[in-house]
Amino acid sequence: QKEVEQNSGPLSVPEGAIASLNCTYSDRGSQSFFWYRQYSGKSPELIMSIYSNGDKEDGRFTAQLNKASQYVSLLIRDSQPSDSATYLCAVNLEYSGAGSYQLTFGKGTKLSVIP
Amino acid sequence: DAGITQSPRHKVTETGTPVTLRCHQTENHRYMYWYRQDPGHGLRLIHYSYGVKDTDKGEVSDGYSVSRSKTEDFLLTLESATSSQTSVYFCAISVETGGTDTQYFGPGTRLTVL
Repeated sequence: QKEVEQNSGPLSVPEGAIASLNCTYSDRGSQSFFWYRQYSGKSPELIMSIYSNGDKEDGRFTAQLNKASQYVSLLIRDSQPSDSATYLCAVNLEYSGAGSYQLTFGKGTKLSVIP
Repeated sequence: DAGITQSPRHKVTETGTPVTLRCHQTENHRYMYWYRQDPGHGLRLIHYSYGVKDTDKGEVSDGYSVSRSKTEDFLLTLESATSSQTSVYFCAISVETGGTDTQYFGPGTRLTVL
């Protein structure tokens, strides 16, 4: 079964620290990887996408992809209380063996940044 | 919010009644999706559409039907609502940029089936 796995948390970090969120996926053919942030009662909001092995930085956020290990992570530097949210990892996984890909979400990791 | 609206935003209904949720987009995107989100399950795809009158099933399509008669509107129908369909429903559109597709979500509809 095609899966995207995340630790559910909660992950608690002090303000100013680095938060590290991890995600593994089952399909070696996946090419597109996304991180969404979801505040309580709100819709998912795209914060990062990554398609190639290595690191991609955007402000305080860094996405890391290792396709050989089927692993993608999100680092948040200088964490702020406003970063407290659930972070969803999403991966394009092959759907129904038909060569088509659908975005599959992990269950999310809840991050709490403690002032 | 990628120009996506959902209606209604909240609905309470009774078991056995039909329910239709509407997703409306203003930017003529080809692909539209319906997801449900439940504690412990995350976001799961119900149905999606790749054009007017072109739809297909997702992971959890049983008990749901969809229609897309216009590019801008994608309707999700629960023919006879059950308590197990109590959930938050999100519509999404797919935007192609540089050969890759990225999904953006609407504000969601909270549905309670009593």
